Amino acid sequence: SAVISQKPSRDICQRGTSLTIQCQVDSQVTMMFWYRQQPGQSLTLIATANQGSEATYESGFVIDKFPISRPNLTFSTLTVSNMSPEDSSIYLCSVAGGRGGYNEQFFGPGTRLTVL
Amino acid sequence: GENVEQHPSTLSVQEGDSAVIKCTYSDSASNYFPWYKQELGKRPQLIIDIRSNVGEKKDQRIAVTLNKTAKHFSLHITETQPEDSAVYFCAASSNPTDKLIFGTGTRLQVFP
Repeated sequence: SAVISQKPSRDICQRGTSLTIQCQVDSQVTMMFWYRQQPGQSLTLIATANQGSEATYESGFVIDKFPISRPNLTFSTLTVSNMSPEDSSIYLCSVAGGRGGYNEQFFGPGTRLTVL
Repeated sequence: GENVEQHPSTLSVQEGDSAVIKCTYSDSASNYFPWYKQELGKRPQLIIDIRSNVGEKKDQRIAVTLNKTAKHFSLHITETQPEDSAVYFCAASSNPTDKLIFGTGTRLQVFP
């Protein structure tokens, strides 16, 4: 299975600030996604991170609030901008496809964000 | 877009009993249906999946059934054990490497 790391694992931030979350995978993958999991809730897809082009956002999520980068096939970042307490969630990246032949989605350990 | 509904939201069973979780989806273009188990404080882990050309799949105590005509699929856990206690999510996608749309989750508690 893919080995995925996320940094930071958790953070407590003040409202109005921004936080950038990193996702690193140990092999080249075709697809990388970012999900949000609010406390006690299911996973909601934020966007698909596209290598070399702009991310594809789901309804209700916009680039100004959640800018995403994917400079290569093993790394992506998600920024949560101008944070408010409603942004308190766990943010997870997931990966699939690529040279590892990952024919399923693997999730990173998540970043637990608390906004005060 | 795709919408996935999941029932029940909570399920309590006695150890050794069976547990069944049901999901329905809306998009007939969905062809891949995974089930994830998420233990407290941990990441979701794939436990079983099924593709639209298959009606049933088993892996030891876990099985999944799919009725593509009715657009519903179910997870069956037999001989439940306390370590099966977790939140289970169903999901739907066009294929295994595409975005997943998740159900709302089922909290399963298995009492010894």
